[in-house]
Amino acid sequence: EAGVAQSPRYKIIEKRQSVAFWCNPISGHATLYWYQQILGQGPKLLIQFQNNGVVDDSQLPKDRFSAERLKGVDSTLKIQPAKLEDSAVYLCASSPSSGPYNEQFFGPGTRLTVL
Amino acid sequence: QQPVQSPQAVILREGEDAVINCSSSKALYSVHWYRQKHGEAPVFLMILLKGGEQKGHEKISASFNEKKQQSSLYLTASQLSYSGTYFCGTGGADSWGKLQFGAGTQVVVTP
Repeated sequence: EAGVAQSPRYKIIEKRQSVAFWCNPISGHATLYWYQQILGQGPKLLIQFQNNGVVDDSQLPKDRFSAERLKGVDSTLKIQPAKLEDSAVYLCASSPSSGPYNEQFFGPGTRLTVL
Repeated sequence: QQPVQSPQAVILREGEDAVINCSSSKALYSVHWYRQKHGEAPVFLMILLKGGEQKGHEKISASFNEKKQQSSLYLTASQLSYSGTYFCGTGGADSWGKLQFGAGTQVVVTP
């Protein structure tokens, strides 16, 4: 079974530029998560989708971050404009459905460096 | 509210045991444990639910203390492969699977 795919794996941009990350979850997984992991910290949930609807985006900085999950499969996360403090690893995860008893399967992440 | 993990780091020799704790100030319904090796994605280890249900890898053991709002992960007879950073993620009953992750416990197992 193929795992969660993410691209690109690494991205270096200058502040005020825009950037987009792509995630392809495990086939059939209804729930998709985007996390931000700053060096030395645990993952912080940015947004959770159930199929193509948003379940939780309370910690998404909506003035600069946006995300979509068209057709309930692939998802993209965009930052525009980027700030220095956005430097982090962006992890995508998926699970068969929402709910507390479903483990999350993480992708390899995209390491973003903002200069 | 982010759960608090302790200790922050632990160094073990192969074969030794260790306990990692995860405490929450909010009522817990679920606790997830993941291990992340440097530069890699977190990997699922175990889920524990209030009421006693749990699932995970056979070689991993953990407990859920409802009264203390705490979960503990037990590393028994540690192996070199146990090295990594361990994260607990906690969720409420209405969280739709949303987890708040702790800052992690770094585990180093030496030969």
